[in-house]
Amino acid sequence: DQQVKQNSPSLSVQEGRISILNCDYTNSMFDYFLWYKKYPAEGPTFLISISSIKDKNEDGRFTVFLNKSAKHLSLHIVPSQPGDSAVYFCAASGGSGGGADGLTFGKGTHLIIQP
Amino acid sequence: GAGVSQSPSNKVTEKGKDVELRCDPISGHTALYWYRQSLGQGLEFLIYFQGNSAPDKSGLPSDRFSAERTGGSVSTLTIQRTQQEDSAVYLCASGGTGDTGELFFGEGSRLTVL
Repeated sequence: DQQVKQNSPSLSVQEGRISILNCDYTNSMFDYFLWYKKYPAEGPTFLISISSIKDKNEDGRFTVFLNKSAKHLSLHIVPSQPGDSAVYFCAASGGSGGGADGLTFGKGTHLIIQP
Repeated sequence: GAGVSQSPSNKVTEKGKDVELRCDPISGHTALYWYRQSLGQGLEFLIYFQGNSAPDKSGLPSDRFSAERTGGSVSTLTIQRTQQEDSAVYLCASGGTGDTGELFFGEGSRLTVL
């Protein structure tokens, strides 16, 4: 039973446009959410996070939105650049520092930025 | 280097053999995690070490899997009597003392069981 769901295995977006990656979760105990980016043959790298006390967090071209009532978060990338092509993992935690059972990850969405 | 280091980067083994995967976390990080990513799957939590506390082994898929962390630093993930379904990329991550939950991942060890 997946607690963190990324329902789109892949997403293709034109360079310069907005990329929106979605993530849904089922566990209401999750209170911290993170996005990781992964290039082939590399480990995931942290991108941006949001605490459940906020509904938006912005860092340059990246913005994460959290809708607690819908148990939904999304990552917006604008404008999209070719270097953004990667697999994006949504992750959730039930406590600070990753929680006792580690972060729970979604299956990832492969973002492809087309020139 | 300053990042999380994993070895070997690639391991091909025969079914039934034992394998050991090693992780050197970032110096000073108290938290160490093992995850694996099978083909087409997300990151699956395996085991979590935090300081001197007993590890959280709730993610280990079977008793063929074990891990230890010596001296609060280097960790070894051991898979006994490997099966083909164990083929995956095994990722190690370490975390600092901050509250962000941010983890720093190694590049992974790709295990192929023939």
